[in-house]
Amino acid sequence: QSILTQPPSASGTPGQRVTISCSGSSSNIGSNPVNWYQQLPGTAPKLLIFGNNQRPSGVPDRFSGSKSRTSASLAFSRLQSEDEADYYCAAWDDSLSGYVFGTGTKVTVL
Amino acid sequence: EVQLVESGGGLVQPGRSLRLSCVASGFTFDDYAIHWVRQAPGKGLEWVSGIGSNSGGIGYAASVRGRFTISRDNAKNSLSLQMNNLRADDTAFYYCARMGRTVAAGIYYYGMDVWGQGTTVTVSS
Repeated sequence: QSILTQPPSASGTPGQRVTISCSGSSSNIGSNPVNWYQQLPGTAPKLLIFGNNQRPSGVPDRFSGSKSRTSASLAFSRLQSEDEADYYCAAWDDSLSGYVFGTGTKVTVL
Repeated sequence: EVQLVESGGGLVQPGRSLRLSCVASGFTFDDYAIHWVRQAPGKGLEWVSGIGSNSGGIGYAASVRGRFTISRDNAKNSLSLQMNNLRADDTAFYYCARMGRTVAAGIYYYGMDVWGQGTTVTVSS
């Protein structure tokens, strides 16, 4: 059972700005950096954002992350058709001494 | 090319054991912690276990603690997950993933930056 809560779905038209939320607690998001992973259909997850708002090399700058206290957000500044995928937030949890993933959000491009 | 390749998955009866392997190439294996993450059919990602670069810092999810054992052999660039007393809810696609680290503004950040293609474990009678 995931302890990071995300909306099950989000959608938008090409070029639209879309935001996904991730709600946690003081033992995970409140204490540790948040990562975001993108999982395209039928593929392994890919690190999209690390350290709350840092993009690995090769990740387009239309993706951005932010964190405030025990919540985090992933924003798509200009949604594109290739962004259709599942997105997961994740963070270390000090109480569980383990890594926790969010429940996942399926992004659909209309 | 930096990559991780899992093997060892298959169909197994409840209560039996299975051993997964993950072989790394293209990077200095003993510089990195490695983790196992699983995904049940149609479900989200679940962290299973992780092990530090020198076999310290081992951790397990509550759902597998006491049944699964993670280990690594740095000389062989390999990681293993011994899964005992398997249950139906262990049925999933199992990935190994490298916990990479990056420095930004003088702070180390960590994230699973390299993933294998995964191996399927099905627990069923």
